[in-house]
Amino acid sequence: GQSLEQPSEVTAVEGAIVQINCTYQTSGFYGLSWYQQHDGGAPTFLSYNALDGLEETGRFSSFLSRSDSYGYLLLQELQMKDSASYFCAVKGDKIIFGKGTRLHILP
Amino acid sequence: DSGVTQTPKHLITATGQRVTLRCSPRSGDLSVYWYQQSLDQGLQFLIQYYNGEERAKGNILERFSAQQFPDLHSELNLSSLELGDSALYFCASSGGWGGQETQYFGPGTRLLVL
Repeated sequence: GQSLEQPSEVTAVEGAIVQINCTYQTSGFYGLSWYQQHDGGAPTFLSYNALDGLEETGRFSSFLSRSDSYGYLLLQELQMKDSASYFCAVKGDKIIFGKGTRLHILP
Repeated sequence: DSGVTQTPKHLITATGQRVTLRCSPRSGDLSVYWYQQSLDQGLQFLIQYYNGEERAKGNILERFSAQQFPDLHSELNLSSLELGDSALYFCASSGGWGGQETQYFGPGTRLLVL
């Protein structure tokens, strides 16, 4: 079967760094994407990794290891507005989204 | 604003009824994806169309169907509605067909089946 696993909740302090992990099991693999969704809003694209390594976009970075079927999203200099749910998604034979990680940020 | 529009924003209907949700992709995007989001299931991929043709199918029920028209807008038809169909339905668009490109999500249609 195909599946994505990510933690359901993560808590961090404002200004700190947090890492959200995602492991996947899919038939075929094209790449790993990350999306952010605020309460009541639509998912918005954050990053995409097709090759192994780290991709950096401002305060957000995403990492992929295809041999380990593993990736993570790294958020630096956390701000209160980063409080949201974060989804990893994989395109293999099908498009699969993880169930999301709720990020709580403490002042 | 992602550039993807969805109508209606909210929809309340009764069990057994049929509804149609509409999506207009971003200008120039050829692919449209439909997703269902419920509290316990997260985002579930339903179906993808590319330039009018079905491209990929996910966990779409037989009671649901979709199509993409020549002007590239898409409609998702939900029939014989059940209470469990209550959810947020998103459409997304992208430029290509592979599904690995950035997808831009619309604001969603919230469906409540009573």
